[in-house]
Amino acid sequence: EVQLVESGGGVGQSGGSLRLSCAASGFTFSNYSMNWVRQAPGKGLEWVSYISSVTNTVFYADSVKGRFTISRDNAKNSLYLQIDSLRDEDTAVYYCARPYANGGQTYWYFDLWGRGTLVTVSS
Amino acid sequence: SYELTQPPSVSVSPGQTARITCSADALAKQYVYWYQQKPGQAPILVIYKDSERPSGIPERFSGSSSGTTVTLIISGVQAEDEADYSCQSADSSGSVIFGGGTKLTVL
Repeated sequence: EVQLVESGGGVGQSGGSLRLSCAASGFTFSNYSMNWVRQAPGKGLEWVSYISSVTNTVFYADSVKGRFTISRDNAKNSLYLQIDSLRDEDTAVYYCARPYANGGQTYWYFDLWGRGTLVTVSS
Repeated sequence: SYELTQPPSVSVSPGQTARITCSADALAKQYVYWYQQKPGQAPILVIYKDSERPSGIPERFSGSSSGTTVTLIISGVQAEDEADYSCQSADSSGSVIFGGGTKLTVL
């Protein structure tokens, strides 16, 4: 089955750290760039970060730049998000999302999402 | 920065047509994509490139575009369509942007 499964969420102290993971299965993970998207309680979706398939080119939303680090291990079919210096506004469900790709081209929308993992920042 | 604006809520009776708008504030509108999200579930892509429907999505889901406004249209709404719907685009630099989401209530 083609799926993404996030883990690693929980309660983190303000100023602390958490590491989220996303396990991919059912498709050739190394062929796809990947993204993290989050959703704060009662709010809309917010794109957080991107990592390319092989070269590890990365991009971050301005709201997380300098605090979040995206990485991947293609041998383990896994995507990661290291969250440091936790802030109250980081409280959200974090989704990993695969962009649609066809014919060697990647498009800026997502055809596969995980169910998400909840991060709650406690002050 | 590029922003997408959606109404917070839309209500329709079963069998009616629901229309959810997504307005862009940029003159050069990029393609818009729509996701359906039910509580506790992963978002599902229901429309891509303004009006294209992915395989497996019911034909009652469609999209239209006029100027800088894109509309998700659900014809013959069913109870199972009750969900949050979010539009998404990307600005000229490739930054992904989401609308605030619209809660569709089936009365």
